[in-house]
Amino acid sequence: GAVVSQHPSWVICKSGTSVKIECRSLDFQATTMFWYRQFPKQSLMLMATSNEGSKATYEQGVEKDKFLINHASLTLSTLTVTSAHPEDSSFYICSASNPSPGPPGRPLHFGNGTRLTVT
Amino acid sequence: SQQGEEDPQALSIQEGENATMNCSYKTSINNLQWYRQNSGRGLVHLILIRSNEREKHSGRLRVTLDTSKKSSSLLITASRAADTASYFCATASSGSRLTFGEGTQLTVNP
Repeated sequence: GAVVSQHPSWVICKSGTSVKIECRSLDFQATTMFWYRQFPKQSLMLMATSNEGSKATYEQGVEKDKFLINHASLTLSTLTVTSAHPEDSSFYICSASNPSPGPPGRPLHFGNGTRLTVT
Repeated sequence: SQQGEEDPQALSIQEGENATMNCSYKTSINNLQWYRQNSGRGLVHLILIRSNEREKHSGRLRVTLDTSKKSSSLLITASRAADTASYFCATASSGSRLTFGEGTQLTVNP
C-alpha cells in the first residue's frame, strides 16, 4: 500500500513553455504532499508543501509564480513549471505520508520523479 | 545547509562485503530515517529509528543512533550488486518536514 504515482516520468520542452507534473496517491488520501527538486548527485531540496483545498506553502527562495501548485483533490497534486528556462531542468519528485496528514516525521512515500529538460 | 551530512560521499565495495554509511546532524530530532534511491527514481523508505532508540535491524540493514554525538550509521551486510544506489538519511524534528542529507553513492561490484 501507500503508492504514489508521478507523471510524466520525463519531459522535454522548449524554453518559454509550461510543463505540468502530476502526483497521485493511488491507494490512500493525501491532504498534504511535498514537492522536491534534485540536481544530479545532490540531495533533495524541498520546494513546497501542497495542501488540499488551500494554498501551497513555498520554501524560501522558491518562486510561487513560477512553480504553480494545485492540490484540488485528496489524491492529486500538480506542479506546473511556467515559462520554463534551461536552468529549470532538473529532477522533480513528489511525496506524501500515509496517513496524511500524519504525525510529525512519518515516513514518506515518493513518486518515481519527473526528469524535466528545457531546451 | 543540509541538516544531515552523509559520509562517505561515495563508497565502492565488492559483493559480499559490508557497507557502512554515516550521517551527522545538527539539531535535536524526533527520529532519523534512511532512504534508498536508485538512479533516476524516487526514494524508498528503508528504516526509521526513534530518538530514544540506539539500534535497529531490518533484514540485512542495521542502523545505529547516537544522539549525544548527533550521528547515525547504516550498515548493509553481505552486500549485493542490487544494493547499488544512493542512500540518504533524513531527520525529523518538530513539525512534519523531513530534512535530507547529501547522500552516499554506494556501488557494489559483482
